[in-house]
Amino acid sequence: QVQLQESGPGLVKPSQTLSLTCTVSGGSISSGDYYWSWIRQPPGKGLEWIGYIYYSGSTYYNPSLKSRVTISVDTSKNQFSLKLSSVTAADTAVYYCARGPTVTSNWFDPWGQGTLVTVSS
Amino acid sequence: QSALTQPASVSGSPGQSITISCTGTSSDVGGYNYVSWYQQHPGKAPKLMIYEVSNRPSGVPDRFSGSKSGNTASLTISGLQAEDEADYYCSSYTSSSTPQVVFGGGTKLTVL
Repeated sequence: QVQLQESGPGLVKPSQTLSLTCTVSGGSISSGDYYWSWIRQPPGKGLEWIGYIYYSGSTYYNPSLKSRVTISVDTSKNQFSLKLSSVTAADTAVYYCARGPTVTSNWFDPWGQGTLVTVSS
Repeated sequence: QSALTQPASVSGSPGQSITISCTGTSSDVGGYNYVSWYQQHPGKAPKLMIYEVSNRPSGVPDRFSGSKSGNTASLTISGLQAEDEADYYCSSYTSSSTPQVVFGGGTKLTVL
């Protein structure tokens, strides 16, 4: 079964760039049936969709974050990555990667375990 | 991009049924059968419980059901169990601008 695992620094300084990678195992990111997503959750708050990427490199971003977000894919490593620039304390959150949506529907499954990124000097 | 509207909290006793609503607009919930529901226990990742309004993934108990009427989707849990106590989030495709995704604010379910 497909599993996802986030990795990257847990602490980022204000104004710097947050960088995370999601490694997919148990399935190919190039299968073509799914997009691959980043979703975040500030402490004690709800879920916020950040964006998703297709294996071909096509991307869709949350308009509220679009100017600061870049999602990329490395099919040779079965990974996709998130970069969020000019971070502030408001970007402190648990960041999840997830499989989905599908090319014909709109759900996310499975999710990675999540990684807490704290923005602080 | 506005979040979908969910009640902040609901509660019920073991064995009872509860319903969580998720209200959007004709650009999201009302316009597409692409509503999904997620269960999240404290410190854990969300888990898909319902997709495409009313479909259950393999392994999800049939106590969980979904429906939609107009711009409001609903998640019903029957025969409440202690393990159902968690946060629940709805999500929908939205066409309000570029194709994208919107989540509800989440509902805390307490099993009394």
